[in-house]
Amino acid sequence: DAKTTQPNSMESNEEEPVHLPCNHSTISGTDYIHWYRQLPSQGPEYVIHGLTSNVNNRMASLAIAEDRKSSTLILHRATLRDAAVYYCILSRRGSTLGRLYFGRGTQLTVWP
Amino acid sequence: EAGVAQSPRYKIIEKRQSVAFWCNPISGHATLYWYQQILGQGPKLLIQFQNNGVVDDSQLPKDRFSAERLKGVDSTLKIQPAKLEDSAVYLCASTFSRTVNTEAFFGQGTRLTVV
Repeated sequence: DAKTTQPNSMESNEEEPVHLPCNHSTISGTDYIHWYRQLPSQGPEYVIHGLTSNVNNRMASLAIAEDRKSSTLILHRATLRDAAVYYCILSRRGSTLGRLYFGRGTQLTVWP
Repeated sequence: EAGVAQSPRYKIIEKRQSVAFWCNPISGHATLYWYQQILGQGPKLLIQFQNNGVVDDSQLPKDRFSAERLKGVDSTLKIQPAKLEDSAVYLCASTFSRTVNTEAFFGQGTRLTVV
């Protein structure tokens, strides 16, 4: 599966928007883009996923570049509870979800 | 909706001892996964079940690790004998289906320390 590149860490202030970038230059046309996050001492938690179009849900928005070589997870108003490690993951349509390669993710720090 | 249940939350054992972890997935989820997460790294898949059958165990160290899901619901992961490098968090996850266009639900994990 194609790999992703994320910054090791990012910081934000509470109630400000946060844009978490992810590069996936070797993405194929059938790769889904998933985002999970992991709060301290918790298992990963699903955030959002998409294929080509931008996606919105109650937690976040996913903006996918037109060439699909990068994407951005947008938290519209960061809260202290959003402090977590965020993983950007690719998975190929037709493969199993278990083959998600998590990498090291981006540690998001939210300041009050 | 009840989440993925795992027990115990913490376990400390000496090297060469054996240990077992238990997982109860979300009701109705046919696909179950065990992951290993070493400190500072992302989770790595150990084994994937579809109902009570193994779909992928290519990254499971079979000389010391074993897992079963006898009735297609609960699952246990065993390590025998444990090594120092097995110290990690063991995560169980489940999904409704095995395809990639779905959401995975993770348990809180079992933190294993081997001394």
